[in-house]
Amino acid sequence: AQSVTQLGSHVSVSEGALVLLRCNYSSSVPPYLFWYVQYPNQGLQLLLKYTTGATLVKGINGFEAEFKKSETSFHLTKPSAHMSDAAEYFCAVRLNRDDKIIFGKGTRLHILP
Amino acid sequence: EPEVTQTPSHQVTQMGQEVILRCVPISNHLYFYWYRQILGQKVEFLVSFYNNEISEKSEIFDDQFSVERPDGSNFTLKIRSTKLEDSAMYFCASSESVQETQYFGPGTRLLVL
Repeated sequence: AQSVTQLGSHVSVSEGALVLLRCNYSSSVPPYLFWYVQYPNQGLQLLLKYTTGATLVKGINGFEAEFKKSETSFHLTKPSAHMSDAAEYFCAVRLNRDDKIIFGKGTRLHILP
Repeated sequence: EPEVTQTPSHQVTQMGQEVILRCVPISNHLYFYWYRQILGQKVEFLVSFYNNEISEKSEIFDDQFSVERPDGSNFTLKIRSTKLEDSAMYFCASSESVQETQYFGPGTRLLVL
């Protein structure tokens, strides 16, 4: 069965510092991988996704993630945090034959001034 | 940019009452989904719908739940007799095809008293 583990329910970084949000997945076949962001009182917005091809995926707002099959990871990074990045981030996985997306528990990112 | 919309944004109901949550998917999308997020927990898949049929549903989606596409634009989730544990944020999503990105609406926060 598929599952997603996000390390750290809360992560705090200083403005301008590197953002690293960790995600590991479990899947019997190569999955599609996603990062969604949820700003306060808003819905889920797709940040980036990996389906096939290049393992380093660039998304919106300067975020990127790298699919590492050997580590079953899909960590999200951003070189320099901005105050507007404060939100909840969800890693998610989907098998290419499935309808449903399986979400991790989410990581709330706090940006310190 | 086209987006998924949901109404109402908030709904308060008494236990045992029926509620209908409404969604307007993106107009050229053919696949529709409902997810829910109980406060403090992960986003969970409920059901997917294509060609006027349920294509997949989770264990959560029991006989108290139903979905319908009553016209060419709306997609609804009905909870026949609400329970306290149905209190959650309900997200609608849509996609062009099963392989394509699912776009999420802003959610309806349901509170069952």
